[in-house]
Amino acid sequence: GAGVSQSPRYKVAKRGQDVALRCDPISGHVSLFWYQQALGQGPEFLTYFQNEAQLDKSGLPSDRFFAERPEGSVSTLKIQRTQQEDSAVYLCASSLRREKLFFGSGTQLSVL
Amino acid sequence: GESVGLHLPTLSVQEGDNSIINCAYSNSASDYFIWYKQESGKGPQFIIDIRSNMDKRQGQRVTVLLNKTVKHLSLQIAATQPGDSAVYFCAESLGLSSGSARQLTFGSGTQLTVLP
Repeated sequence: GAGVSQSPRYKVAKRGQDVALRCDPISGHVSLFWYQQALGQGPEFLTYFQNEAQLDKSGLPSDRFFAERPEGSVSTLKIQRTQQEDSAVYLCASSLRREKLFFGSGTQLSVL
Repeated sequence: GESVGLHLPTLSVQEGDNSIINCAYSNSASDYFIWYKQESGKGPQFIIDIRSNMDKRQGQRVTVLLNKTVKHLSLQIAATQPGDSAVYFCAESLGLSSGSARQLTFGSGTQLTVLP
């Protein structure tokens, strides 16, 4: 497709379960970002990739969060031992450069 | 128990009227600003951007105004339509002009409702 694709669209996890969220960026986009959006709030930065290199992971809330982009295209955000406070929408965005991000529709994660 | 959530500022306008959505940004060093529109269940959609060396930029039916003196950004939507109903976020970034741009920092958003 022409846009950023994220899967799954919805994910329900039991507390303590590991989850993996996938992002397919727009073809040719060098930069890839992950954001976390809580209900009623603006997106908050998690991590940034330029090609396969993770250049900024300052927004990851704990060492339970891990992101990778091994071939510089598809990215996976993994959350280990999920907690209720991890419940949010996880947004992926890509761009040719660092401005003008194009966002996917997000993965809504609910931890029970 | 009671859930505590952030109540978004809201703006209600009549269809056909002009809308003005305001945003106060936090970092006086920010040099790049974007407005995004987010409809329910979707990701943010780019509307318009502006660099700090400008104070006004126009797009199709939208205008962004930047006042660096008071760190204020506004989005004007002309002839507002029902399809404009959404949450609008401003976002700021710094370092773009030097090539070392950092990630976008988003504001808390404004809910725009267009009344028939």
